[in-house]
Amino acid sequence: EPEVTQTPSHQVTQMGQEVILRCVPISNHLYFYWYRQILGQKVEFLVSFYNNEISEKSEIFDDQFSVERPDGSNFTLKIRSTKLEDSAMYFCATRTSGTMETQYFGPGTRLLVL
Amino acid sequence: AQSVTQPDIHITVSEGASLELRCNYSYGATPYLFWYVQSPGQGLQLLLKYFSGDTLVQGIKGFEAEFKRSQSSFNLRKPSVHWSDAAEYFCAVGAFGAAGNKLTFGGGTRVLVKP
Repeated sequence: EPEVTQTPSHQVTQMGQEVILRCVPISNHLYFYWYRQILGQKVEFLVSFYNNEISEKSEIFDDQFSVERPDGSNFTLKIRSTKLEDSAMYFCATRTSGTMETQYFGPGTRLLVL
Repeated sequence: AQSVTQPDIHITVSEGASLELRCNYSYGATPYLFWYVQSPGQGLQLLLKYFSGDTLVQGIKGFEAEFKRSQSSFNLRKPSVHWSDAAEYFCAVGAFGAAGNKLTFGGGTRVLVKP
């Protein structure tokens, strides 16, 4: 069964450094999402992306965050200057077209900012 | 804005016993509701979803959920729990509009299974 994959599985970085989290969507999926889960808290929506544009973003997704599809297959989340409070599990999710299609989640990247 | 509440943070159940996980939602329109399960070190796996029609929906791994509009609830049930059901369970409501379709999650319920 096709799966969403994410790399790296874990990343440790210093505060102020840039990080790029990568996601490989299921091949026929056109809608992409990032969510995050701070330890002990809810899974929170960050951003949705379709047709090379952001469809919707949350208040969390400020100017320090960006997303892109650099090569037509990968979907990346960049954090330009990480803060301690960016430490979280970041999940990528993807789905096909159609308003009721299920979002399929990757295994997540655990980011620790020191 | 939509929201989801899962009142139980932890539930401990004996293997073979029944399980019910509670979920209450708030959403201004017809909700699209989901239950996901997260095993340790894994991503979120869809158990089942409700969009319309029969209010009792069947999912994978023997789970079912019932949508009750009058109670704004979408509780998850399993008649007989297996040790492999130990995991964290998340209820979510979908906001479908344009291309956004974001999910709003509850806080999760961690299920422990006793032998």
